[in-house]
Amino acid sequence: NAGVTQTPKFRILKIGQSMTLQCTQDMNHNYMYWYRQDPGMGLKLIYYSVGAGITDKGEVPNGYNVSRSTTEDFPLRLELAAPSQTSVYFCASSSRIANQPQHFGDGTRLSIL
Amino acid sequence: AQTVTQSQPEMSVQEAETVTLSCTYDTSESNYYLFWYKQPPSRQMILVIRQEAYKQQNATENRFSVNFQKAAKSFSLKISDSQLGDTAMYFCAFMTLAGKLIFGQGTTLQVKP
Repeated sequence: NAGVTQTPKFRILKIGQSMTLQCTQDMNHNYMYWYRQDPGMGLKLIYYSVGAGITDKGEVPNGYNVSRSTTEDFPLRLELAAPSQTSVYFCASSSRIANQPQHFGDGTRLSIL
Repeated sequence: AQTVTQSQPEMSVQEAETVTLSCTYDTSESNYYLFWYKQPPSRQMILVIRQEAYKQQNATENRFSVNFQKAAKSFSLKISDSQLGDTAMYFCAFMTLAGKLIFGQGTTLQVKP
């Protein structure tokens, strides 16, 4: 099983550029999440979605946008890249809230120079 | 707002010995879920153990067990018979009933041969 797949694995952007981080899952999970992990820190929630067409902000949403047109895909968009967005980004999914754990992708390392 | 605090940035243990990682959290909710995740150098996020707040019994998964003290809002992880493969960063996480997962800052564990 592929689980949660993130692309790309690495990317370098220039300040002001835009890009989309892709995330897809094949487990038919309703809930999907985007996190960022700064060096030596825990993960912080950027955005999450409880189903197609429904998204909501997490702890650190500024500078990002998301959409959820299908159950499988949950892309994260950076419109005007800033150095403060240099981080590792994780996508995760779960079958429902409550006691079901989240399944994580392998992460995307993004550097903005 | 919910917070999760891991007060031990780094710990080390000799192979085959036991180590306990600390975690405290703050919430006004009465029902929630707690998790420990392991992040090895490969960067994957791996679920170690989970605990439902309404359950009195402490969760156990093979060599991993928790000491859940709801009144004290404490959720420590005990690793018995430590193995070299346990070397990783460990994150305590709190999940609200709305599905938001809040992570602590992490504890880096080094298992020495």
